[in-house]
Amino acid sequence: AQKVTQAQTEISVVEKEDVTLDCVYETRDTTYYLFWYKQPPSGELVFLIRRNSFDEQNEISGRYSWNFQKSTSSFNFTITASQVVDSAVYFCALSEDRDNFNKFYFGSGTKLNVKP
Amino acid sequence: NAGVTQTPKFQVLKTGQSMTLQCAQDMNHEYMSWYRQDPGMGLRLIHYSVGAGITDQGEVPNGYNVSRSTTEDFPLRLLSAAPSQTSVYFCASSYGNIGAETQYFGPGTRLLVL
Repeated sequence: AQKVTQAQTEISVVEKEDVTLDCVYETRDTTYYLFWYKQPPSGELVFLIRRNSFDEQNEISGRYSWNFQKSTSSFNFTITASQVVDSAVYFCALSEDRDNFNKFYFGSGTKLNVKP
Repeated sequence: NAGVTQTPKFQVLKTGQSMTLQCAQDMNHEYMSWYRQDPGMGLRLIHYSVGAGITDQGEVPNGYNVSRSTTEDFPLRLLSAAPSQTSVYFCASSYGNIGAETQYFGPGTRLLVL
């Protein structure tokens, strides 16, 4: 079973529109971590945010904001006033707490196209 | 700090050839991992290491070997390349266990097996 589901394969918006990328995760653990990474066309993976399961506070960083809701097992990512430079594939990931090594589970990614 | 570095950036192999993908980090991170990324999929864990001399298998280990003789280096060896191993390979590292610490990725190695 998929531990991280990003149902939106590809989204296209026009510059300055707001866009929300959905992420739904599955875990039976009480302690876990959630991440978002950005992969621009150049291919590298850029870390955006890390949250632990005990911190449900929403976070805002400039034009980026994240909505963590344990009740719906979701960790959605919103870009406000999108820009062309936001065009990339965005990955949501889950890490479950283990003694030795917390394995990382990635979603399949959402490709965001921001048109001028 | 250079962060996580990977060489080569791109490689073409013929079926049956062997090669080593290099990964190094200069952040004194204990945890290192190798992932592969295939089209339309997220990254999948191949092997990981929690410190020098300690390695273990991830989700898709078949056809790959690793070793960790130093904290800095974590090479990935393809024993006998197959077309199914055509992929983009990412190396990653973190200071401590993932989640408690952030995992940082290298720039990737694009591998084509003919």
